Amino acid sequence: QKEVEQNSGPLSVPEGAIASLNCTYSDRGSQSFFWYRQYSGKSPELIMSIYSNGDKEDGRFTAQLNKASQYVSLLIRDSQPSDSATYLCAGSRNQGGKLIFGQGTELSVKP
Amino acid sequence: GAVVSQHPSRVICKSGTSVKIECRSLDFQATTMFWYRQFPKQSLMLMATSNEGSKATYEQGVEKDKFLINHASLTLSTLTVTSAHPEDSSFYICSARAGAPRTNEQFFGPGTRLTVL
Repeated sequence: QKEVEQNSGPLSVPEGAIASLNCTYSDRGSQSFFWYRQYSGKSPELIMSIYSNGDKEDGRFTAQLNKASQYVSLLIRDSQPSDSATYLCAGSRNQGGKLIFGQGTELSVKP
Repeated sequence: GAVVSQHPSRVICKSGTSVKIECRSLDFQATTMFWYRQFPKQSLMLMATSNEGSKATYEQGVEKDKFLINHASLTLSTLTVTSAHPEDSSFYICSARAGAPRTNEQFFGPGTRLTVL
């Protein structure tokens, strides 16, 4: 079992729709979670970080964390073609410690 | 803030040669930097954790004598791929841990694409 699992996709949504990206993790000691966006051929870019149960919103992005279910999600509202990328979920045990990445979910937003 | 640079962005070398990649935190001091490798269509794999002024901590299966890491200052870490072979061709990416109050977050450099002929 991988420590951090994501559906590889591709996930295809129409422009303006809500894209829902999911991630589960196996290490109950994980405390911090991150969503990165990676365009093809580029390095990852931090979108959201979340440390406590519940929702965290930043613009069109909402991260959700449920530690009891070991589940993290990212919602993208009003999806745009420019959101088309691979989204990486990552968890960390310690503050500032090493990140364990999922395999990424490829998102395609169709105009 | 939290900008990380890498140099070179792309390098092509002959088999058997060594290649050095630099990672710099431009607007903050990074006591900890991380080196990753990413093969096509795969996720990032952590190679090692680099701490300023001390030896790097390598992940299981990563040869420390082949991938030399030096973190001599709070803004610079280097990765040297020694005696490179075609199977070392990959996308190498560094990240740096941001300072307070964002000490939990890592910011990535733009990556170095290495091709070994």
